[in-house]
Amino acid sequence: AQSVTQLGSHVSVSEGALVLLRCNYSSSVPPYLFWYVQYPNQGLQLLLKYTSAATLVKGINGFEAEFKKSETSFHLTKPSAHMSDAAEYFCAVSASNYQLIWGAGTKLIIKP
Amino acid sequence: DTGVSQDPRHKITKRGQNVTFRCDPISEHNRLYWYRQTLGQGPEFLTYFQNEAQLEKSRLLSDRFSAERPKGSFSTLEIQRTEQGDSAMYLCASSPLALQETQYFGPGTRLLVL
Repeated sequence: AQSVTQLGSHVSVSEGALVLLRCNYSSSVPPYLFWYVQYPNQGLQLLLKYTSAATLVKGINGFEAEFKKSETSFHLTKPSAHMSDAAEYFCAVSASNYQLIWGAGTKLIIKP
Repeated sequence: DTGVSQDPRHKITKRGQNVTFRCDPISEHNRLYWYRQTLGQGPEFLTYFQNEAQLEKSRLLSDRFSAERPKGSFSTLEIQRTEQGDSAMYLCASSPLALQETQYFGPGTRLLVL
């Protein structure tokens, strides 16, 4: 069965600093992996996805993620944090029938 | 190109009442999913449709919950005899046939059961 673990329920970085949000997955088959962002009281917006093409995936808003099979990881990074990046970020893996299995989320806090 | 829409955005009800939520997917998306999200948690899968057929239901979906997609377009999720534990955000997502792995989410319906 697939599962997702996000390390750190809260991550705090200074504006302009590197953002690193961690995601580890387990899957018995080559996975589809996703990062979504959720702003307060809103739905989920797709940031990027991995579908077995390039291992380094570029997404919207300057985010990217690297698929590392040996580490079963799909960490999300952004070189320079902006105040508008403050939100909750969810990692997900696609299970059978493409339903998504989600991590618990990481709230990103940006310090001015 | 409009996105997924959900109605209402917020619903407050008293315990024991029935509520119904509507989801309009992106046009021509054949798959439609319902998820539930409680505060501080990731979403949990409830059910999904391919066209009008409901193909899978989670064990989370008790007998009080029912979902329909009668013409393969919009979907409704009904909760009968609501309980306080039903308070959550209910999210709808849709995906196209050509990219079934990619789900696009609506803004959600936040339910509060008093």
